[in-house]
Amino acid sequence: DQQVKQNSPSLSVQEGRISILNCDYTNSMFDYFLWYKKYPAEGPTFLISISSIKDKNEDGRFTVFLNKSAKHLSLHIVPSQPGDSAVYFCAAGGGSQGNLIFGKGTKLSVKP
Amino acid sequence: KAGVTQTPRYLIKTRGQQVTLSCSPISGHRSVSWYQQTPGQGLQFLFEYFSETQRNKGNFPGRFSGRQFSNSRSEMNVSTLELGDSALYLCASSLGARVGQETQYFGPGTRLLVL
Repeated sequence: DQQVKQNSPSLSVQEGRISILNCDYTNSMFDYFLWYKKYPAEGPTFLISISSIKDKNEDGRFTVFLNKSAKHLSLHIVPSQPGDSAVYFCAAGGGSQGNLIFGKGTKLSVKP
Repeated sequence: KAGVTQTPRYLIKTRGQQVTLSCSPISGHRSVSWYQQTPGQGLQFLFEYFSETQRNKGNFPGRFSGRQFSNSRSEMNVSTLELGDSALYLCASSLGARVGQETQYFGPGTRLLVL
């Protein structure tokens, strides 16, 4: 049973517009959430994180929103750039889990 | 500060063989986690080592094993390779205080192809 779900395998956005990537989780004990970006043939790169005591965290063009009641988080990228084209993974940790649980990823394509 | 390094980057083996992958964490990081990534799948957690002890384990068969050395470097071993073991194997390091609640930093991965 998937505890972290990214229901959109892919997303296409025009350069300069907003990209919104979504992630749902089932375990209410999760209290730490992260987003990673991955290019082909490379390891994931950490982007941004948020703990459950917050509902928003911002870092430059990247903002993560957490809705605990809906068990949902999202990553907003504004403005989107062609270099943002990659696979984005969300991950969650905490509770009885001693490790991070990852979603299957969403492939973002930003078109010039 | 140097990042996480993994060797080798690419490996081709045949069914039935065994393989050992190596990971050097970021200096000062004491936790090393291993993940398997296959096409269409997310990162599947294999195991996590901290202070030379396996602290967490995922749902993989006993053919997958690992160890950690006193300098925090880690190795992962897969015995009796199967075709389905072809994957990208990723290593991640973190400080280690609370692995599920701290940022993990990934290496570039080892691409394993089993023929």
